Amino acid sequence: GDSVTQMEGPVTLSEEAFLTINCTYTATGYPSLFWYVQYPGEGLQLLLKATKADDKGSNKGFEATYRKETTSFHLEKGSVQVSDSAVYFCALSTSGTYKYIFGTGTRLKVLA
Amino acid sequence: DGGITQSPKYLFRKEGQNVTLSCEQNLNHDAMYWYRQDPGQGLRLIYYSQIVNDFQKGDIAEGYSVSREKKESFPLTVTSAQKNPTAFYLCASSIDYRQETQYFGPGTRLLVL
Repeated sequence: GDSVTQMEGPVTLSEEAFLTINCTYTATGYPSLFWYVQYPGEGLQLLLKATKADDKGSNKGFEATYRKETTSFHLEKGSVQVSDSAVYFCALSTSGTYKYIFGTGTRLKVLA
Repeated sequence: DGGITQSPKYLFRKEGQNVTLSCEQNLNHDAMYWYRQDPGQGLRLIYYSQIVNDFQKGDIAEGYSVSREKKESFPLTVTSAQKNPTAFYLCASSIDYRQETQYFGPGTRLLVL
């Protein structure tokens, strides 16, 4: 079945460091890919998405590129801030269906 | 402002008690969803509704029930049959069930006394 695998956390970085959170997927068909962010005690917020191969999603300095050949959608940011501390979820949705498959989440801690 | 509201933020359940979690949206979305989140795990789908007066079981529906009498509202009842209800519950909606982007509410944390 479809699945999403994320790197284990927590990821701890100093402010202004470069961030990469790895996400790989297994899916039949042509999924859309998403990154959501969850701040402590809150719901999930859509961070970015990509709907086809080679698309790049971007928002608030975060980027991720849909790589069909490596089945990956890694999240990157050039310079993290303390306010980026949160849990990040990678998810996929197979075209034409309602269903999301979520990864287990990666906690990011950014230290001042 | 358009969005999804969930209440209460915290809910306590006694043994053998049914409790109902509220989810309301003013986004005019047709589709709504309930997820359960456990520590260190991703979200798991409990129930979803594509349209008013219709709903379907998700991956972990046992011990839960829902209704969809109004487009704006999709309440979730955690019944006494759910033996491990302690979790964070998230409601989401999308324009319709074919639209992939789901928007989430702030969540309700359910604790068992």
